Amino acid sequence: DQQVKQNSPSLSVQEGRISILNCDYTNSMFDYFLWYKKYPAEGPTFLISISSIKDKNEDGRFTVFLNKSAKHLSLHIVPSQPGDSAVYFCAAPAYGGATNKLIFGTGTLLAVQP
Amino acid sequence: DTEVTQTPKHLVMGMTNKKSLKCEQHMGHRAMYWYKQKAKKPPELMFVYSYEKLSINESVPSRFSPECPNSSLLNLHLHALQPEDSALYLCASSRPGGGDQETQYFGPGTRLLVL
Repeated sequence: DQQVKQNSPSLSVQEGRISILNCDYTNSMFDYFLWYKKYPAEGPTFLISISSIKDKNEDGRFTVFLNKSAKHLSLHIVPSQPGDSAVYFCAAPAYGGATNKLIFGTGTLLAVQP
Repeated sequence: DTEVTQTPKHLVMGMTNKKSLKCEQHMGHRAMYWYKQKAKKPPELMFVYSYEKLSINESVPSRFSPECPNSSLLNLHLHALQPEDSALYLCASSRPGGGDQETQYFGPGTRLLVL
């Protein structure tokens, strides 16, 4: 059961334009969402997060939007830069017991063309 | 400081070898995690330690043995691995406590090759 889904395996955008990465979830109990960026052969780097009490969180060029009724979140990168080329994972903590686990989406490979 | 360190960066081992992966964090986090990641896949959770006690084992084969000597250190002992165990092994840590305290910070990983 894929509770967090990223339906676009890849995305290509021109440098300077907006990148929009999408993520859908099925579990209405999720109340916190994270985006990670990952370069090949490196660990994921935490990028930005959003609590379910908000619908938007912004950090520099990165903005995450949350639509709870649609169970959908998106990551906007403006302007996109070649260094943003990486795999992006969305994730949500699944609560249970004393420790929570992160449920990851399958990832979207972003390629920013110079 | 959100740094998690892992050693070694690369490891090649034979199927009869015993080796250990090490992870360290000094953020005062009380939850630490081991993940395995294959190419083009999301990280796959293996073990979770919470307050130095093993709280989650995701049905990992016994040839992987975790250890948490103290709140800052996490080890993964490897013995009699199979070639299909070749992957990037990631360590992560978090506070935890709900909400933004669930943010996990990852180390750079150990690239393991089993011959």
